[in-house]
Amino acid sequence: GDSVTQMEGPVTLSEEAFLTINCTYTATGYPSLFWYVQYPGEGLQLLLKATKADDKGSNKGFEATYRKETTSFHLEKGSVQVSDSAVYFCALSSGGNTPLVFGKGTRLSVIA
Amino acid sequence: GAGVSQSPSNKVTEKGKDVELRCDPISGHTALYWYRQSLGQGLEFLIYFQGNSAPDKSGLPSDRFSAERTGGSVSTLTIQRTQQEDSAVYLCASSLLGHTGELFFGEGSRLTVL
Repeated sequence: GDSVTQMEGPVTLSEEAFLTINCTYTATGYPSLFWYVQYPGEGLQLLLKATKADDKGSNKGFEATYRKETTSFHLEKGSVQVSDSAVYFCALSSGGNTPLVFGKGTRLSVIA
Repeated sequence: GAGVSQSPSNKVTEKGKDVELRCDPISGHTALYWYRQSLGQGLEFLIYFQGNSAPDKSGLPSDRFSAERTGGSVSTLTIQRTQQEDSAVYLCASSLLGHTGELFFGEGSRLTVL
């Protein structure tokens, strides 16, 4: 079945550091890919998405490119802020009759 | 409100008791999902409702778990004879259309079974 594997955390970075959170997937067909973020005390919210190969999703300075050849969707940000501290979830949707499949989440802590 | 609302936000219960968790989706959203978030386990799909169609119950871990959605809006997740391994955060999400991947989540109901 479909699955998502993302790097285990926690990840601790200093403010203005470069961030990469790795995500790879296994799916039949051509899924859509997502990053969700869960800030402390809040519900998950969609951060960005990409629906086909080579698409780049971006939002709030974060980017991720849908790489079909490596089945990856790594999340990157050039300069993190303390306010980016959260748990990040990679997810995929194969559409049809299958629900969204999530990775286990990666906790990011950014220190000033 | 404008978002997905879940209640209670916290529930502590004794092993063997039944619990009910409630979800109010965003008005007009036809799809509603329940997920379970356990420490170190990510989000586990439980059940999915789409309009008036029969729900997809494929993720329910045992027959102690059930859910209903009345009038295509509010949903209740019921766990009977709770066990300690049921302790988790139960998340509800809704979307305008099913399985597009763009879900709107509530803040969750944290269940602790003693």
